[in-house]
Amino acid sequence: DAGVIQSPRHEVTEMGQEVTLRCKPISGHDYLFWYRQTMMRGLELLIYFNNNVPIDDSGMPEDRFSAKMPNASFSTLKIQPSEPRDSAVYFCASSLGGGSEQFFGPGTRLTVL
Amino acid sequence: KNEVEQSPQNLTAQEGEFITINCSYSVGISALHWLQQHPGGGIVSLFMLSSGKKKHGRLIATINIQEKHSSLHITASHPRDSAVYICAVPMNYGGSQGNLIFGKGTKLSVKP
Repeated sequence: DAGVIQSPRHEVTEMGQEVTLRCKPISGHDYLFWYRQTMMRGLELLIYFNNNVPIDDSGMPEDRFSAKMPNASFSTLKIQPSEPRDSAVYFCASSLGGGSEQFFGPGTRLTVL
Repeated sequence: KNEVEQSPQNLTAQEGEFITINCSYSVGISALHWLQQHPGGGIVSLFMLSSGKKKHGRLIATINIQEKHSSLHITASHPRDSAVYICAVPMNYGGSQGNLIFGKGTKLSVKP
């Protein structure tokens, strides 16, 4: 398996633009997690899905953030409109079982100017 | 809600030294994760443990559930071990074990 795949790897956009980050989990994994990493706050859980259903989105910072998982092999994290403080590295991870080892994607480095 | 403390924040060692990184948490858990983040940014899961000790190559992780404390040890450290090591535990006791909260990380630099 190729592991967790994220795209794009880098995204530079201007404030106010819509940003869509994509993730393909490892085939067969039933949990998918979206994380954000910043220098100030470290790694933070934004939202996670079990069998394509959002379970906990309490980490989503604002209504500007939304996440979907239309099927078992694809998830998106959307920011609309983007702001400079959204600049961070966004990681997607998947696991087989909620309390199991998580496999991380390479991350998307987002810069909002 | 669980809180995670790691120490030290930064650690510089000479090649060959024995390394210890510590992690303490505040609420009972069923399992603790140790992650490694490479200088390039990629994150790899090293261990998930709920009791006792686990060993993988030169890396050893221990956990004391009663004391709410875990340690990550690296024997015969090598410059390629240079990375940030992150401890993570479930956010809430009895809640979903996948809902993790992370320590701030320990940045390890091993000099040749």
